[in-house]
This record gives sequence, structure tokens and C-alpha cells, in this order.
Amino acid sequence: QLQLQESGPGLVKPSETLSLTCSVSGGSITSMSSYWGWIRQPPGKGLEWIGSIYSSGSTYYSPSLKSRVTISIDTSKDQFSLTLTSVTAADTALYFCAKLSGGFYSHFDNWGQGTQVTVSS
Amino acid sequence: ENVLTQFPGTLSLSPGERATLSCRASQSVSSTYLAWYQQKPGQAPRLVIYGASSRAIGIPDRFSGSGSGTDFTLSISRLEPEDFAVYFCQQYGSSPRTFGQGTRLEIK
Repeated sequence: QLQLQESGPGLVKPSETLSLTCSVSGGSITSMSSYWGWIRQPPGKGLEWIGSIYSSGSTYYSPSLKSRVTISIDTSKDQFSLTLTSVTAADTALYFCAKLSGGFYSHFDNWGQGTQVTVSS
Repeated sequence: ENVLTQFPGTLSLSPGERATLSCRASQSVSSTYLAWYQQKPGQAPRLVIYGASSRAIGIPDRFSGSGSGTDFTLSISRLEPEDFAVYFCQQYGSSPRTFGQGTRLEIK
């Protein structure tokens, strides 16, 4: 059974860089030929797509975050990562990693449990 | 971007009743690329419906989705206690993919 697990610091200082990793188990990122993504949910609010990456490394970002976001993939470790620079309190959120069911234009069919990130000095 | 508006914001119903949740898009959703997710407190979202009307694996048949273009509906025919949660719609037919703000389905 495919499982995704987010990891990373729970507290980041303003203006610094947020870095999270999603570890995939129960399957190989390369063999699944899927897209993978990051989504976040600020406290008490809805969901926001951050970006997606294919196993080849092709990336797609939300225009609102594009200038600060980098998503990368390490197929040898079955992991993909999120980097968000120059964070502010507005970046405080529950961050999820997820797998898309097929191509880029597909729904998320498998989610991690999420990891809380708080931006505060 | 394609903005999704869900209504009502909160729906209060009793177990056994029928729930109807709506999602309206600011632009037509390509190829009915619309999904519904269920989220319970402290949990990740769970896929309920994709392609506007296809049930995800393991979702009971009391859940159904319909709609096309800009108007979509999630219906739950007979509410069970485990169905009370927040439901989000999401369009994935254009980038950026966007989510609605959610409908909270609560026990009356």
C-alpha cells in the first residue's frame, strides 16, 4: 500500500527558508510514472496547491508562489522536496504532500498525513 | 485562475437525511476535471469523487457527484455519522489547480 510521509522543521523564522521532504513507501517513484505535489492549508482555511513535479523532474508551480518555491525529486531515495524561501507568518500552514492519479491534469488520489509548519521568531 | 465557490458554508443535518453540497466555478471546468475530498479534523483529505461523478475506491454508493461546466454537486443520500466532515471541491482542468473554501457538514 502506497504511503506518503512529510518531514521537516515545525518552526521556521521569518525571512528564512522552509524545507520539507516527502518520503514515498510501498512503491517506487520512478516505476509509478506519476506526478507528485505539495498542498498547504493555513489554520482554519481551505487548501492551496503549491506545485507539482514529475518523476523526470519537470515542475509546475502556483503563480502566486512561483518566485519563492522549488520542488525537487530524488528518485534514488523515493523522495521529493519542497523549498519555500523568504517565509512570513502567512506561510504558517499544514503542509501535505500527495500523489496525482495520472498525468498533470489529474486528481490527488493519495495524501500524506501533513506536517504543521509555523513561521515565528 | 478558476475560482471555486462552495455553498452553503455550513450544512446542519441529521443522520439519515440527504445532503446536497454545491460547487460553482468562475470558468468552465475542462472535461469535468472536478474532484471532491472529505476532510476530518486532524486528518488528510480523502478523495471521494473524481471526474465530477466517479466514486473513488472504497467510497460507499450513498455518495454521488454530478454537474458539468461551472456547476457541480456532491450528494449524500442517507447520512451516516461518519459522513460529517468538511468537503472540498477541486478543479484540475487548468493551472493553477484550485480548491473551494469548503462546506462543513455538521450534525444537527
